[in-house]
Amino acid sequence: GQSLEQPSEVTAVEGAIVQINCTYQTSGFYGLSWYQQHDGGAPTFLSYNALDGLEETGRFSSFLSRSDSYGYLLLQELQMKDSASYFCACGGSSNTGKLIFGQGTTLQVKP
Amino acid sequence: NAGVTQTPKFRVLKTGQSMTLLCAQDMNHEYMYWYRQDPGMGLRLIHYSVGEGTTAKGEVPDGYNVSRLKKQNFLLGLESAAPSQTSVYFCASGSGELFFGEGSRLTVL
Repeated sequence: GQSLEQPSEVTAVEGAIVQINCTYQTSGFYGLSWYQQHDGGAPTFLSYNALDGLEETGRFSSFLSRSDSYGYLLLQELQMKDSASYFCACGGSSNTGKLIFGQGTTLQVKP
Repeated sequence: NAGVTQTPKFRVLKTGQSMTLLCAQDMNHEYMYWYRQDPGMGLRLIHYSVGEGTTAKGEVPDGYNVSRLKKQNFLLGLESAAPSQTSVYFCASGSGELFFGEGSRLTVL
């Protein structure tokens, strides 16, 4: 089966950097992705890592280490609008289609 | 460009009633998914489909059925609704990057 673990809550101040970790257990790993969800809204895609290393997209970066079954999402220059829930998800474009999500990390950005 | 559209957006059911949630996507995606989200919890996969005419069970399939008769549509059915099925249901499509609908909020009394 597949399972993902991430912290339930993280708090940081505006302008700071925060890292949200995700560890996973899966058979047939095909990539780790990250999604953002604001209260009452739909999840939106942030990034996808199929290979080891760092992927950067503006203020957000995502890292994957397949040997450690571990990844993280790095948010820099935090803004109030970054307050949201962040989910890691295991699966990808080459798998059987089954995409499982972690339980999510609620990020609270304080002034 | 509509993306992923879910109907209805809100519904209240009585225990034992049946209903169908419709998901439509206009991006020609092969993969489609139905998730449920409960307060304080993540997205749990109910059923998914890797192409027209195919469906597969996810993490929490009991009490739900699905059909994918057309590539652009993915239907989620509740044959006999139970209070435990009160939730927000999200449909998604895509591969690698998922595109989500706005959600369907279902209450079962």
